[in-house]
Amino acid sequence: NAGVTQTPKFRILKIGQSMTLQCAQDMNHNYMYWYRQDPGMGLKLIYYSVGAGITDKGEVPNGYNVSRSTTEDFPLRLELAAPSQTSVYFCASSDISNQPQHFGDGTRLSIL
Amino acid sequence: DAKTTQPTSMDCAEGRAANLPCNHSTISGNEYVYWYRQIHSQGPQYIIHGLKNNETNEMASLIITEDRKSSTLILPHATLRDTAVYYCIVRVVSTSGTYKYIFGTGTRLKVLA
Repeated sequence: NAGVTQTPKFRILKIGQSMTLQCAQDMNHNYMYWYRQDPGMGLKLIYYSVGAGITDKGEVPNGYNVSRSTTEDFPLRLELAAPSQTSVYFCASSDISNQPQHFGDGTRLSIL
Repeated sequence: DAKTTQPTSMDCAEGRAANLPCNHSTISGNEYVYWYRQIHSQGPQYIIHGLKNNETNEMASLIITEDRKSSTLILPHATLRDTAVYYCIVRVVSTSGTYKYIFGTGTRLKVLA
């Protein structure tokens, strides 16, 4: 029952560093999503994908990039980390876009 | 995009019903209301969703007013494990035709022993 798996669970970066947050799902879902959650706030959509090779921007895409080369994986890339990107990042997937989304347990990222 | 408004926090006695309100006065006719909860900053967990009819599943009931401007999530017999942040979400259609969630700030429910 893996579902949506996110790695790493925690990470500390220095300003200007880059990293990739990994997300994998084993449910053969076409739709995948990346959200960020700032303290005391709801989730905001960064990017989403409707299938391999197809991605689109959400509400807050600046400073991030994504790719979707396979159905299973949807990595999120931070190129030049900034303190404003300190947040908890959640990946989610759904079978089709009008079905409930399944969320991973998040990656807690601090940028100092 | 439609927005939701929820009370910041609520308490409920264990074993009693927890009624969590949500206002979504700008919701459009084809936009669904979804409820998720988040326990200890884990990933959000799906609870229930609806369009205009009341819905019930093994976890909860969802009551939507006739004008669809508000809804109430009901946990019929709250337990300590139901302590969480509950999000009322409106699912909207993006410009590309894909559905997306608009999260509010949620209600922090504390179930008291």
